[in-house]
Amino acid sequence: AQSVTQPDIHITVSEGASLELRCNYSYGATPYLFWYVQSPGQGLQLLLKYFSGDTLVQGIKGFEAEFKRSQSSFNLRKPSVHWSDAAEYFCAVVPLRGYNKLIFGAGTRLAVHP
Amino acid sequence: GAGVSQSPSNKVTEKGKDVELRCDPISGHTALYWYRQSLGQGLEFLIYFQGNSAPDKSGLPSDRFSAERTGGSVSTLTIQRTQQEDSAVYLCASSITTAGGRTDTQYFGPGTRLTVL
Repeated sequence: AQSVTQPDIHITVSEGASLELRCNYSYGATPYLFWYVQSPGQGLQLLLKYFSGDTLVQGIKGFEAEFKRSQSSFNLRKPSVHWSDAAEYFCAVVPLRGYNKLIFGAGTRLAVHP
Repeated sequence: GAGVSQSPSNKVTEKGKDVELRCDPISGHTALYWYRQSLGQGLEFLIYFQGNSAPDKSGLPSDRFSAERTGGSVSTLTIQRTQQEDSAVYLCASSITTAGGRTDTQYFGPGTRLTVL
C-alpha cells in the first residue's frame, strides 16, 4: 500500500546534539517530498521541500534533508539542536499521477533536554 | 503578508448540532485543502478545491461532511449532526497552481479545534 512511514514516534536529544529524523515512502515514482514542523498549539510550518534536482535540500531554521531514491527515504537532519526545536515533525508527500493532496506520516515528537 | 486564516479558533458543540468552519486562503491561491488532525488518525486529507470546484472529495468521512468554496476564495466546511468522533483540529491549507496543473507548497492556517460533547 502507498504510505509514508516515520518509524520514530518520540525522540529525545540533548541541546547541541545532532538530529536525524527518518522518513520512508512507498510510491512507485518519486513523489514531491516535504517536512513540516508543528509547535504546540500551532499550525504546520514548512521546513523544506524536494521536487527535483539536487538531492540535498536546505531549509529554514538550519534544517536540511537528503532524498535517497534507492532507499525511498527523505531524512531530516540538523547538526546542532536548540531547545526551541522541540516540536512535532511531519514528513509528507504529494504522490505523482495528478494527486495534489498531502499524505502525511504519523509524525515524530522531538524533546530537547538542556 | 497575510497567511491562511481560520475561524473560529475553538468550537465546542453538543452532539447532534451542526457546525460551520471557515477558511480564508492566501490571496491569489487557487488551490485550497481541508485536513483533519486527531489523536487516533493523525493528519488526514478531507477535500481539495481548485477554484470553486472540488475534484477530490475522497477524504470526507461521511455524508455529514460537506464543503464549499465561493468566489475562488473563502471556504466553509460544514459538519451536520456532529458526533463525538468528529472532535479534532480541522486545518485548512492553500497553494498556487502551476502552469502544468500541479500545486506548489501548501501553507497551513492555525486550525479550528472542534470539541463535540
